[in-house]
Amino acid sequence: AQTVTQSQPEMSVQEAETVTLSCTYDTSESDYYLFWYKQPPSRQMILVIRQEAYKQQNATENRFSVNFQKAAKSFSLKISDSQLGDAAMYFCAYRSEASGGYNKLIFGAGTRLAVHP
Amino acid sequence: KAGVTQTPRYLIKTRGQQVTLSCSPISGHRSVSWYQQTPGQGLQFLFEYFSETQRNKGNFPGRFSGRQFSNSRSEMNVSTLELGDSALYLCASSLGRHQETQYFGPGTRLLVL
Repeated sequence: AQTVTQSQPEMSVQEAETVTLSCTYDTSESDYYLFWYKQPPSRQMILVIRQEAYKQQNATENRFSVNFQKAAKSFSLKISDSQLGDAAMYFCAYRSEASGGYNKLIFGAGTRLAVHP
Repeated sequence: KAGVTQTPRYLIKTRGQQVTLSCSPISGHRSVSWYQQTPGQGLQFLFEYFSETQRNKGNFPGRFSGRQFSNSRSEMNVSTLELGDSALYLCASSLGRHQETQYFGPGTRLLVL
């Protein structure tokens, strides 16, 4: 079975600085997607970024980028120029693309990010 | 487009009762997935419905069930509520094809007393 591990329960960063959140996963599959979701105090899960395993190029979305190391099964999220609105719980998630996997997301435990002015 | 909506947003029930939660997906989305979020277990997949059929199921007891209607709206039902069922229940919708991203609703917070 696939597992997702986020080893940093809490992180903090100064406004305008850069922070990296870690995520590792375990799978024997070769075809899958990885996601970072943000959950602010409102509890609404918001997609931050996604990465297709077959793509070697790391995904980027504005201030958010990932470092995807497929062989090491590592998927870290870098937030540049941190803003107060980035404060939230961040979840790393895995989705298998094997038959029947479809929309089942496997989540890590989450990392709570605090942003200090 | 309007986002995923969930009703009710908050619910208080007592042990032994049953509860029904509703999820309306983004217009055009045919897949609806349900997740349970608790402080102890984190986010866990309950089940997914696509075109009125359950396509995938997580490891939850039979007390947890769901269905999907022809307009893609979905309901989940929990019978014989237990204290441990207190959680935030999130639903997510997508077009349902491969490579599609899921978009989450605001959740329903259920408290079982």
